[in-house]
Amino acid sequence: EAGVAQSPRYKIIEKRQSVAFWCNPISGHATLYWYQQILGQGPKLLIQFQNNGVVDDSQLPKDRFSAERLKGVDSTLKIQPAKLEDSAVYLCASSLGGTGEFFYGYTFGSGTRLTVV
Amino acid sequence: DQQVKQNSPSLSVQEGRISILNCDYTNSMFDYFLWYKKYPAEGPTFLISISSIKDKNEDGRFTVFLNKSAKHLSLHIVPSQPGDSAVYFCAASFINDYKLSFGAGTTVTVRA
Repeated sequence: EAGVAQSPRYKIIEKRQSVAFWCNPISGHATLYWYQQILGQGPKLLIQFQNNGVVDDSQLPKDRFSAERLKGVDSTLKIQPAKLEDSAVYLCASSLGGTGEFFYGYTFGSGTRLTVV
Repeated sequence: DQQVKQNSPSLSVQEGRISILNCDYTNSMFDYFLWYKKYPAEGPTFLISISSIKDKNEDGRFTVFLNKSAKHLSLHIVPSQPGDSAVYFCAASFINDYKLSFGAGTTVTVRA
């Protein structure tokens, strides 16, 4: 099966500019996640979608970050305006969820490395 | 508030020997624990998981042990191979939302 597709792979922007990332999850995966991974840290959840609805965006800095999931499939994450501390890898993941004692885990994309200068 | 902690940022092991990676968590209500492996410039890939109702799960060279009373889990890799050199992340989630909380990762280097 095809994996989770993300683009672009790399992006360099100046602070206060805007940037958008795109994600296409695995077909049939209802749940989609965006994670931010700062160098030397583990991934941190930004937002979780179930189909095209937001389940949890409590960790999303809503003054500058926004995300949507179109028709319950593709998703975009936008930052406007960017700050230096937004430099990180942005990971998209999708999941089938789980059943009882078994959790299928996530499938991650390769990520977008954002550098804000 | 970091609920999952990996206190060893790096581990170096000789090829053929055992690698032991440790992970501690603070929330006793976690239902699932997972290990992910990450190579440079790639996304994390799922390695092995364990439910909170079990204390051990094996998959080939990889075994995860869960000690709920100590809120501790470990990943054993036996024998270690050069291709195992990567960053390993421990993660935990609840049964009702499957959102993963990750540790900071441990970089494993397998020496020939």
